[in-house]
Amino acid sequence: AQSVTQPDIHITVSEGASLELRCNYSYGATPYLFWYVQSPGQGLQLLLKYFSGDTLVQGIKGFEAEFKRSQSSFNLRKPSVHWSDAAEYFCAVGLSGGYNKLIFGAGTRLAVHP
Amino acid sequence: DSGVTQTPKHLITATGQRVTLRCSPRSGDLSVYWYQQSLDQGLQFLIQYYNGEERAKGNILERFSAQQFPDLHSELNLSSLELGDSALYFCASSVGAYNEQFFGPGTRLTVL
Repeated sequence: AQSVTQPDIHITVSEGASLELRCNYSYGATPYLFWYVQSPGQGLQLLLKYFSGDTLVQGIKGFEAEFKRSQSSFNLRKPSVHWSDAAEYFCAVGLSGGYNKLIFGAGTRLAVHP
Repeated sequence: DSGVTQTPKHLITATGQRVTLRCSPRSGDLSVYWYQQSLDQGLQFLIQYYNGEERAKGNILERFSAQQFPDLHSELNLSSLELGDSALYFCASSVGAYNEQFFGPGTRLTVL
């Protein structure tokens, strides 16, 4: 069965430090991969997506993610974290050819220390 | 602001009751999706409608039903509510059946 694993439930970093959030997926076909961010009391906002091609994708707010097929991973990175990045981050895989059925990971809650 | 609106923002009701959650998609979007976010199950896809027709189904209980109206707004009906139905229910919309989804702010349902 298709699944997404985010091994880290909580991560705390200092402002200005680099960030990497891990995501592993299980899906038989070519995956469509996404990272979403959820700020408190808000809906989900798409940070970036991977369909094919270049395995390093750039997103909004200075985020990037790298698709590694051999490791079934799609880790999210940011070189320098800002206090406003504190939120919950969800990795998702799209089934049925693309977007329409998203399977989400459990999420990683990011705290940022000043 | 994604352009997707959901009403109400909060809903408190009792077990056994029935509620209706409403979603208005972004202007021009034909597809509407419903998701449930709970502490124990995480974010789960429930159902998708495209231009009034059911397009994809996920882990939606038989007590739950949805529809999309000619004006493209959608309603999620939850009946015979149980304590475990307490969750945040998100609506998302997209232009087509296979396009980027934009999420609304959610409706928080509390069943007492």
